[in-house]
Amino acid sequence: DQQVKQNSPSLSVQEGRISILNCDYTNSMFDYFLWYKKYPAEGPTFLISISSIKDKNEDGRFTVFLNKSAKHLSLHIVPSQPGDSAVYFCAAKAGNNRKLIWGLGTSLAVNP
Amino acid sequence: DTAVSQTPKYLVTQMGNDKSIKCEQNLGHDTMYWYKQDSKKFLKIMFSYNNKELIINETVPNRFSPKSPDKAHLNLHINSLELGDSAVYFCASSQVGGASYEQYFGPGTRLTVT
Repeated sequence: DQQVKQNSPSLSVQEGRISILNCDYTNSMFDYFLWYKKYPAEGPTFLISISSIKDKNEDGRFTVFLNKSAKHLSLHIVPSQPGDSAVYFCAAKAGNNRKLIWGLGTSLAVNP
Repeated sequence: DTAVSQTPKYLVTQMGNDKSIKCEQNLGHDTMYWYKQDSKKFLKIMFSYNNKELIINETVPNRFSPKSPDKAHLNLHINSLELGDSAVYFCASSQVGGASYEQYFGPGTRLTVT
């Protein structure tokens, strides 16, 4: 039973345009969400996060939006760059539990 | 200067062997984790230690035994390796009590059991 779902396994975007990666969750107890980026043969690296008390968090070209009523979050990358090509994972946690629950990832390809 | 390091990066071994993977972090974090990423790319936590104390122990076969000699190290020992153990194993660390919950990952160890 996957509590964190990334329904698009892959996404292709033109350089300079916006990339939108989506994530849905089922557990209403999740109170913190994180996005990670992963290049081949490397470990995931933290990108941006959001607490459930907020609906938006921005860091440079990266913005995460949270819609609690829809149990949906999205990561926007503007403008997209070829170096952004990677697999993006959505992860969530509930309460004081340090365990992160991960989605399966979305592979983003940014074409020059 | 690598924050979370794992050795070895690649490990090829035969069924039935015993092997260990080592992990070290120099971030001063007090919590460390082992994850398994299977062939379907699903990243799943196996264990977590906080200050050398086991705090997360998911449903993992007894053949897997983590060992934390100090809070900067978390090693994973696997007995009687099976074909299904082939995967990429990631070590990670974090600091409990911070405002955020990010975990910092090592580069992974690709284990192939033949």
